[in-house]
Amino acid sequence: EAGVAQSPRYKIIEKRQSVAFWCNPISGHATLYWYQQILGQGPKLLIQFQNNGVVDDSQLPKDRFSAERLKGVDSTLKIQPAKLEDSAVYLCASSLDVTGGDGYTFGSGTRLTVV
Amino acid sequence: AQSVTQLGSHVSVSEGALVLLRCNYSSSVPPYLFWYVQYPNQGLQLLLKYTTGATLVKGINGFEAEFKKSETSFHLTKPSAHMSDAAEYFCAVGQAAGNKLTFGGGTRVLVKP
Repeated sequence: EAGVAQSPRYKIIEKRQSVAFWCNPISGHATLYWYQQILGQGPKLLIQFQNNGVVDDSQLPKDRFSAERLKGVDSTLKIQPAKLEDSAVYLCASSLDVTGGDGYTFGSGTRLTVV
Repeated sequence: AQSVTQLGSHVSVSEGALVLLRCNYSSSVPPYLFWYVQYPNQGLQLLLKYTTGATLVKGINGFEAEFKKSETSFHLTKPSAHMSDAAEYFCAVGQAAGNKLTFGGGTRVLVKP
């Protein structure tokens, strides 16, 4: 089966600019997650979708970050305006089991550098 | 609330030697436990998981982990390290309902020839 697709792989922007990341999960996976991985740290959950509804966005900095999954398939994560501390790898993951007990399948991530 | 602590941000082992990566967790409910591996410039790949049942879990690439409830631990081992095991390893904990994974800080493994 095809894996989780993410684009772009790399992005360099100046602070205060906006940026968007795209994710296409594995077909049939209802649950989609966006994680932020800062260099040297473990991934941190930003937002969790179940189909096109938000399950958990408690750690999403809502003043600058937004995410949507309009048709319950693809998802986009946006940052506007970006700050230097947003430099990180943004990982998308999906799971078939609504409880996540099967483990996630991760995409390769988008590496964002804010200068 | 749930959290994960991985002891040692870097581990160096000789090829053929035992690999032991330590993970301790806290969870208010029975946990789901996972180990993931991340190679450079790649996403995370699931090595193994514990949800219920047998506490000794075998995963891919010869790795295994044992869930010890009394010690709140889920240490990862491999009897004989291979050069291809050089990567970063993450332990993660989740809960059964509405699962979201909380990751540890990771342990980078270096394998010496």
